[in-house]
Amino acid sequence: GENVEQHPSTLSVQEGDSAVIKCTYSDSASNYFPWYKQELGKRPQLIIDIRSNVGEKKDQRIAVTLNKTAKHFSLHITETQPEDSAVYFCAAGSGSARQLTFGSGTQLTVLP
Amino acid sequence: DGGITQSPKYLFRKEGQNVTLSCEQNLNHDAMYWYRQDPGQGLRLIYYSQIVNDFQKGDIAEGYSVSREKKESFPLTVTSAQKNPTAFYLCASRLTGGNEKLFFGSGTQLSVL
Repeated sequence: GENVEQHPSTLSVQEGDSAVIKCTYSDSASNYFPWYKQELGKRPQLIIDIRSNVGEKKDQRIAVTLNKTAKHFSLHITETQPEDSAVYFCAAGSGSARQLTFGSGTQLTVLP
Repeated sequence: DGGITQSPKYLFRKEGQNVTLSCEQNLNHDAMYWYRQDPGQGLRLIYYSQIVNDFQKGDIAEGYSVSREKKESFPLTVTSAQKNPTAFYLCASRLTGGNEKLFFGSGTQLSVL
């Protein structure tokens, strides 16, 4: 089955700096890669996703890049703000059921 | 923020007891999922269902059971065979047919007495 590894497990940045979280996956059949943000005590929410036919996608201050050859994808957050502090999960999925395999999460802390 | 509701928010299980976690959605979503969240381990798939009266095992189905008698409902039973049930359980749903976005419930924290 699919295996997703996520690094780092914790990340602290100064407000205004950029943050990068990286994930690798093992199954070359995976073709859908979402990122979820989970604030403390709240449900995970989708913040951005990318499909395997695209190399990069941006949405305001967040972007995701995908390298299919190397089987890794990354989340980039620019101009970080305190409200970006949360746990971020990457995931990989394929097939019609889209059962996702999640990474272990990254606790991002943005220091004011 | 609504649309998918989990209950109860907190649940305690005695040894040897089966407990059932409720998940209801009014989003008219076809597919529903159950994930288990443990600290530092991300989310792991327990069971999923794409249509009524059909469901498949995920990566960690042992000790759990589900049913999908109605489109709106996908309850999860944690049986006495699950020896380490303490975790945060998340239900999710999505439309099928190319719509990828998963919507999550607010979760149930299950603890063992």
